[in-house]
Amino acid sequence: ETGVTQSPTHLIKTRGQQVTLRCSSQSGHNTVSWYQQALGQGPQFIFQYYREEENGRGNFPPRFSGLQFPNYSSELNVNALELDDSALYLCASSGWTSGNTGELFFGEGSRLTVL
Amino acid sequence: AQRVTQPEKLLSVFKGAPVELKCNYSYSGSPELFWYVQYSRQRLQLLLRHISRESIKGFTADLNKGETSFHLKKPFAQEEDSAMYYCALRGAGGSYIPTFGRGTSLIVHP
Repeated sequence: ETGVTQSPTHLIKTRGQQVTLRCSSQSGHNTVSWYQQALGQGPQFIFQYYREEENGRGNFPPRFSGLQFPNYSSELNVNALELDDSALYLCASSGWTSGNTGELFFGEGSRLTVL
Repeated sequence: AQRVTQPEKLLSVFKGAPVELKCNYSYSGSPELFWYVQYSRQRLQLLLRHISRESIKGFTADLNKGETSFHLKKPFAQEEDSAMYYCALRGAGGSYIPTFGRGTSLIVHP
């Protein structure tokens, strides 16, 4: 069973640029959610995708957008980067194939630094 | 709105001492509560969920609806318990999106 993988692991961008982060969900999972974790904070929910549709969104501006593909992998896009976007971005998958237990399976994250 | 509060940023104990990591929540309906753990250089992973009423690695947590709490307890801490612990709440309905607390760092000294 393949776990959740994220890429890239680290990246540095400058203010105003755009970034795309990628996530492959765990085998058998059809739901992917994204979290932003600032230093010293818990994961903050950005949005969730189920069967290629966004089905939940946290308190993040529209410049945070996403996609889910037919193979359930996902992308997080952030436009017009701001310094406060510097954080660890976590992807988590879950799915009905493993039962709706509520358990999230996390990737190791992508650490974004905005200069 | 749902909210999870972990009042302690850091909890430091000696090996063999009892541990209690506090978690309080705010939710108008019937919540599902979880504890996630992140060991050094590992990814965030589920420790236990309240509906299972199980003990994992000696840890237990009881949902107290009257006090809106879900404290994590272990009678005798071990050095390998040192980690970041996050309490999370998942509300019913909608997309079942969990809300996480800010986390408590547990350090167990030898």
